[in-house]
Amino acid sequence: SQELEQSPQSLIVQEGKNLTINCTSSKTLYGLYWYKQKYGEGLIFLMMLQKGGEEKSHEKITAKLDEKKQQSSLHITASQPSHAGIYLCGAAVPKAAGNKLTFGGGTRVLVKP
Amino acid sequence: DSGVTQTPKHLITATGQRVTLRCSPRSGDLSVYWYQQSLDQGLQFLIQYYNGEERAKGNILERFSAQQFPDLHSELNLSSLELGDSALYFCASSVGTGALGYGYTFGSGTRLTVV
Repeated sequence: SQELEQSPQSLIVQEGKNLTINCTSSKTLYGLYWYKQKYGEGLIFLMMLQKGGEEKSHEKITAKLDEKKQQSSLHITASQPSHAGIYLCGAAVPKAAGNKLTFGGGTRVLVKP
Repeated sequence: DSGVTQTPKHLITATGQRVTLRCSPRSGDLSVYWYQQSLDQGLQFLIQYYNGEERAKGNILERFSAQQFPDLHSELNLSSLELGDSALYFCASSVGTGALGYGYTFGSGTRLTVV
């Protein structure tokens, strides 16, 4: 089965500083999804990457997909307290088991004002 | 509001009891997925239904069962509850049979506490 490993597991960053989260897959990536979860709440879709080398940005968040390395990174520029939460990457397993999404363990982000 | 509705938001029950969690998918979505999130296991896929039929099973215990009704809402039944079943249970929905190209829309979850 596909496994996703996220690093770091948690990080504390000073407001205004940049941060990067990595997601590495044990198998070929056919689609990589980034979600954000506020503590104890639901998951909010951030962005989806499907092609190798693809890069997407939304406000101050940028995600990239390196298909060869089977890895994606999420970068937040000039972090704000609103960026605090748990970031999860999810990968789709095509054809097998209903194309379900499997998720990494998450990265907990705390932004210090 | 994501469009996926889960009820109840919180549930406290005793060991050995049975509970039912309910999910209404986003309008137009035919697939419903159930996930369990606990501190030690992370977000684990339980089961998927597509247009009323079971499509995929994950790490779902035999004490747990689910179904999707003709109006596409889904229920997750948890029985003979144990302390370790305490977790956040999420429902997600998608248009097609899977995540590829579309992703999922998640509900806000049901927090189950077994005492």
